[in-house]
Amino acid sequence: DAKTTQPNSMESNEEEPVHLPCNHSTISGTDYIHWYRQLPSQGPEYVIHGLTSNVNNRMASLAIAEDRKSSTLILHRATLRDAAVYYCILRDETGNQFYFGTGTSLTVIP
Amino acid sequence: DVKVTQSSRYLVKRTGEKVFLECVQDMDHENMFWYRQDPGLGLRLIYFSYDVKMKEKGDIPEGYSVSREKKERFSLILESASTNQTSMYLCASTVGHGQNNEQFFGPGTRLTVL
Repeated sequence: DAKTTQPNSMESNEEEPVHLPCNHSTISGTDYIHWYRQLPSQGPEYVIHGLTSNVNNRMASLAIAEDRKSSTLILHRATLRDAAVYYCILRDETGNQFYFGTGTSLTVIP
Repeated sequence: DVKVTQSSRYLVKRTGEKVFLECVQDMDHENMFWYRQDPGLGLRLIYFSYDVKMKEKGDIPEGYSVSREKKERFSLILESASTNQTSMYLCASTVGHGQNNEQFFGPGTRLTVL
């Protein structure tokens, strides 16, 4: 069973905000929500994570629904370097397993 | 800069060969992971290790084994390579245990089995 569901692809214009959605309707109370991204020809890299509250860092913001069944990664101003596959991942209470889905391929249009 | 390195970026092997993929991290991390990445399937966990000489099966361990003799090094072994093991292989590491820890990935090894 898929633990997270994301759209296969999205497009954004350069310098505009991007909202990348993720559904995780079977999330347990102790699962953390992580986001990673994978640039072309590279391994994935960490973006942000959270449990219940919204989170901000230098790369992005994470908005988590009150029922925690969905979340949204927000890139405030998309740049061409943000073109990547974005993965929404749940980490269980052991912390050892990362459940990657197929991700959303983001295209940034100049 | 923290680093996870993998021994090869590209590798071509023949069916039946024994294949070793090496991963080294310089961050003194306890946990190390091996994934494979295939189009349409995302990343799937093969094996992970939370300590030297310890290993745990992931979601798709069949056809693979691993070795962790030193903390910084985690090897993935294909005992007898098959064409369905053609894939991108990614190694990763994290510090300690817990759900907050960031996972650091290597650049990947693209393995082709002919």
